[in-house]
Amino acid sequence: DAGVTQSPTHLIKTRGQQVTLRCSPISGHKSVSWYQQVLGQGPQFIFQYYEKEERGRGNFPDRFSARQFPNYSSELNVNALLLGDSALYLCASSFDSRGYTFGSGTRLTVV
Amino acid sequence: QKEVEQNSGPLSVPEGAIASLNCTYSDRGSQSFFWYRQYSGKSPELIMFIYSNGDKEDGRFTAQLNKASQYVSLLIRDSQPSDSATYLCAGMNTGNQFYFGTGTSLTVIP
Repeated sequence: DAGVTQSPTHLIKTRGQQVTLRCSPISGHKSVSWYQQVLGQGPQFIFQYYEKEERGRGNFPDRFSARQFPNYSSELNVNALLLGDSALYLCASSFDSRGYTFGSGTRLTVV
Repeated sequence: QKEVEQNSGPLSVPEGAIASLNCTYSDRGSQSFFWYRQYSGKSPELIMFIYSNGDKEDGRFTAQLNKASQYVSLLIRDSQPSDSATYLCAGMNTGNQFYFGTGTSLTVIP
């Protein structure tokens, strides 16, 4: 079975630009969550979606938005990129919220 | 105040010893807790989840939850060099937000 897949794996953007990150959950998983991880820190929760509805939101500015599609895949959008947005963005999926399986992440560099 | 606090370590144990990793949480209403292992440059990998008071065992791993003390721990028996990684404690709070600690770095010395 395919795990959680994320695309792209690496991305370089300029300050002020917008970026869209994509995530395909494990087949049968209806819950998707997004995290930001900077070096030396634990992942920081951004969003959780279940059955296409937002179920949880972390302490991130409104520049961050996300959505989940009918096939349960998800996109994370970040507008007006700042240098501080440079991080590893992780997507995770779960069948019943009892433990999430993570994808390999998208490494975003803002220059 | 952080939702989840972990000792940052680093923690070093000899091969074959028991490694003990600890975590406290602030939201008394949190119900579910998770331990993840993260190797350098890799994404976190779920080891165990626990939501009932007491112990939960899976192979060499035992998770312990004490809701009265707001304390979660992970014991790794017969530690192996391949267990060397950063261990992340996470919980889900009453607001359905998922919080990770900063992680504890474990080194198992052959």
